[in-house]
Amino acid sequence: EDQVTQSPEALRLQEGESSSLNCSYTVSGLRGLFWYRQDPGKGPEFLFTLYSAGEEKEKERLKATLTKKESFLHITAPKPEDSATYLCAVRDYGGATNKLIFGTGTLLAVQP
Amino acid sequence: NAGVTQTPKFQVLKTGQSMTLQCAQDMNHEYMSWYRQDPGMGLRLIHYSVGAGITDQGEVPNGYNVSRSTTEDFPLRLLSAAPSQTSVYFCASSYGRTGNTEAFFGQGTRLTVV
Repeated sequence: EDQVTQSPEALRLQEGESSSLNCSYTVSGLRGLFWYRQDPGKGPEFLFTLYSAGEEKEKERLKATLTKKESFLHITAPKPEDSATYLCAVRDYGGATNKLIFGTGTLLAVQP
Repeated sequence: NAGVTQTPKFQVLKTGQSMTLQCAQDMNHEYMSWYRQDPGMGLRLIHYSVGAGITDQGEVPNGYNVSRSTTEDFPLRLLSAAPSQTSVYFCASSYGRTGNTEAFFGQGTRLTVV
């Protein structure tokens, strides 16, 4: 069964303290892995798409990487404004339904 | 640029009532979808559409209907509301017909069924 697991569920960092969020997945054929950011009371906002193992993408303090089994979202020198829930989602080649499978997210809190 | 607009933002329904959640996008996207988000669970797909006149079921379609008469609009209808449908609903659109591109989400509709 297709599955996406994110860890940790919650993470508290001091401003400037770098860390990584993990997204592990089980799918029959990865068609794409997506990272989104969600602020309280708002819809998810797109960050990155990764399509093949070894691919990396960066945006400001965020860097996403992909292997055959998992993806990492690295946060370098975070600021309080990086506080949000980070969602990972995958699209599978083999599914009968054309859908994104979402993880439950990592709630990141960055304290000044 | 409005993006994806959902209305209403909040709604309280009594069990058995029906209602329509509105979703409109101004980006000329072919692929549109509805998700529900519940505590401790990831976003789950309810219905999706790959273009006007074409809709299909997602992971949790029971109790919901959709139609797509135009490219811009994709309303979600609750036929007879149940407490289990209390959730936050998100509409999303993306470029192309596969949905395998970045999705733009609306602000969500928080629905409570009492």
